[in-house]
Amino acid sequence: DIQMTQSPSSLSASVGDRVTITCRASQSISSYLNWYQQKPGKAPKLLIYAASSLQSGVPSRFSGSGSGTDFTLTISSLQPEDFATYYCQQSYSTLLFTFGPGTKVDIK
Amino acid sequence: QVTLKESGPVLVKPTETLTLTCTVSGFSLSNARMGVSWIRQPPGKALEWLAHIFSNDEKSYSTSLKSRLTISKDTSKSQVVLTMTNMDPVDTATYYCARLSSSWRGNWFDPWGQGTLVTVSS
Repeated sequence: DIQMTQSPSSLSASVGDRVTITCRASQSISSYLNWYQQKPGKAPKLLIYAASSLQSGVPSRFSGSGSGTDFTLTISSLQPEDFATYYCQQSYSTLLFTFGPGTKVDIK
Repeated sequence: QVTLKESGPVLVKPTETLTLTCTVSGFSLSNARMGVSWIRQPPGKALEWLAHIFSNDEKSYSTSLKSRLTISKDTSKSQVVLTMTNMDPVDTATYYCARLSSSWRGNWFDPWGQGTLVTVSS
């Protein structure tokens, strides 16, 4: 199975900060990497698919990059509604999907 | 509008079998580029993918839980059913179903159901 790791596991940031979250796959997954945002008590929401494509309706302050094994989710200017947990997910293995352990972004 | 909604028991006893139903609307389970997965999340923990069913009825399962899971669908009822045998308290979690969209660029889960919390306790 392809294993996913994320760093950091949590971070504290202020409104307006630039935030970067890293996701790493245990083997090359090309660009088959998605990012989700989850707020407490809510279902996850798709932010970025195929490593860098912004899902419709998602603010442009969110961006994704990377390919192979290393990927990044960037929030260019953190807003109050962005405090949440972020998960990466690989879809290279279409029969065995896996999620990263998550990165919690909270208020500094 | 595409929606998914999970239903099933709130409480199950250890060793019992859990049966969850995902009822979808706004798309067909026979659509070649669509499929439905079940994903769970224990309280305070990360997401764990469990099982998936494709439009052609091909199925895939989590390696660690494969022996306990069965996924099926009833296209006419727009429902996907997950059964998990031999439930244990560690299986206490919110269970989500999610639509998988597929393209040459990959596969992604969107949207998700609201989730249903299942507690395993005697």
